[in-house]
Amino acid sequence: GAGVSQTPSNKVTEKGKYVELRCDPISGHTALYWYRQSLGQGPEFLIYFQGTGAADDSGLPNDRFFAVRPEGSVSTLKIQRTERGDSAVYLCASSLTPTGNTEAFFGQGTRLTVV
Amino acid sequence: GEDVEQSLFLSVREGDSSVINCTYTDSSSTYLYWYKQEPGAGLQLLTYIFSNMDMKQDQRLTVLLNKKDKHLSLRIADTQTGDSAIYFCAPFGNEKLTFGTGTRLTIIP
Repeated sequence: GAGVSQTPSNKVTEKGKYVELRCDPISGHTALYWYRQSLGQGPEFLIYFQGTGAADDSGLPNDRFFAVRPEGSVSTLKIQRTERGDSAVYLCASSLTPTGNTEAFFGQGTRLTVV
Repeated sequence: GEDVEQSLFLSVREGDSSVINCTYTDSSSTYLYWYKQEPGAGLQLLTYIFSNMDMKQDQRLTVLLNKKDKHLSLRIADTQTGDSAIYFCAPFGNEKLTFGTGTRLTIIP
């Protein structure tokens, strides 16, 4: 596709449920990033993939959060036993390389609401 | 890790210049980016500067970098109503962007 695509655009779930958020990066982009943006805050880094492997997962808040990118393209962010504090917009970005001199393109985000 | 600080709010009269400031802590940041976020919209890259430059100009936008003080600024000339948005400073280091809290720019007619 022309840009980074995230699905669903909105997700409402009950506390304690499991959710999966999907990111389709721009074709050919090797670097893929997940960020979380809470209301009134800047995006907060969660995890970064270079190809299929998670090169840096230092931003994942706890072991309820997990992400995969099995074929080096589409990525899924998985959240177990959701809590109300997980409510936020989850942003995905991709870039051609992870060196900073190529633009990181952001998707429109998935707005997650835990009730 | 990197800490990025910005003022939360800025109000400017239409036609004046806006200056948004940012300080960061990681001196190894290689590129320093400015993103714009409008209500309900995604993050839009505005401009960036390489860490060995002092200044970069791109039409109405001027970026100034003081690497010694780890201070970055974005100047928007002739500010228009369409410039109303939240502006994020985002240094790139350790293979990722770190975002500030964002500065909400309000234009006064």
